[in-house]
Amino acid sequence: DSGVTQTPKHLITATGQRVTLRCSPRSGDLSVYWYQQSLDQGLQFLIQYYNGEERAKGNILERFSAQQFPDLHSELNLSSLELGDSALYFCASSVVPGHGEAFFGQGTRLTVV
Amino acid sequence: AQTVTQSQPEMSVQEAETVTLSCTYDTSESDYYLFWYKQPPSRQMILVIRQEAYKQQNATENRFSVNFQKAAKSFSLKISDSQLGDAAMYFCAYRELDTGRRALTFGSGTRLQVQP
Repeated sequence: DSGVTQTPKHLITATGQRVTLRCSPRSGDLSVYWYQQSLDQGLQFLIQYYNGEERAKGNILERFSAQQFPDLHSELNLSSLELGDSALYFCASSVVPGHGEAFFGQGTRLTVV
Repeated sequence: AQTVTQSQPEMSVQEAETVTLSCTYDTSESDYYLFWYKQPPSRQMILVIRQEAYKQQNATENRFSVNFQKAAKSFSLKISDSQLGDAAMYFCAYRELDTGRRALTFGSGTRLQVQP
C-alpha cells in the first residue's frame, strides 16, 4: 500500500459526460501529480499541484482541469468525454517536488462508451 | 525535452535466472533522478529502485540493481534470481532534480515474462 488513495477504482460513462476523479496523497506529501496511461500513448504527465497551487502542466487537454484543496486532496475533472479519453488515470504524491520518488495510487480505470 | 527510451518491448527469463532491462535517456541536465517502476497485472505502479545522477555508485535493492552509465546516458535494470512474482511491465523514468519540470518522464515499458 503506497498510502495514496484514489477513488473510484472504476468508472464507466458515456461520451459527452463529465466525471471527477479524486486523490488523497500520502500523509505529509504536499505535491500531487496526475498521469494518464493509455494503450497508445503510454504514461503521460498531465498536471502537478503543490500545496494548493498549480506547479506544472503537461499534456493536459483543455477539457480537463484539476485542483488541490486545503486538505491537500486533489480532483481531476474530465469533461465532454470522448472515446479516446478511456484510460487509466494515476495520481502520485511526493513530499517535495523535485526530490525523491513519487508514490502512486492504484489508479482509476475510466471507460467512455 | 527529456526523452526516455526502452528498446525492448518484451523480455523473457527463466525462473532463478538473471535478466537485464535496458533504458536510455536524453537530457542536457547534469543532476537528475532515474527510476525503475514495476507495474504488475494489478496495475499498481511500484517503485523498484532509484538512482541519483550525482552518485557514481550504482543503486541496489535486494535482487534488483542498476548499471548507471552517465556519459552514455544509459540506465539498465538487472534482476537476479528471477521469481514468478517479477513478471510485470517495467518502466524506466526520469525526473529533474530541483528546478523546472518536476514530473516523471516515462519510457514505453518492457513486459517481462518469467518462465517456471
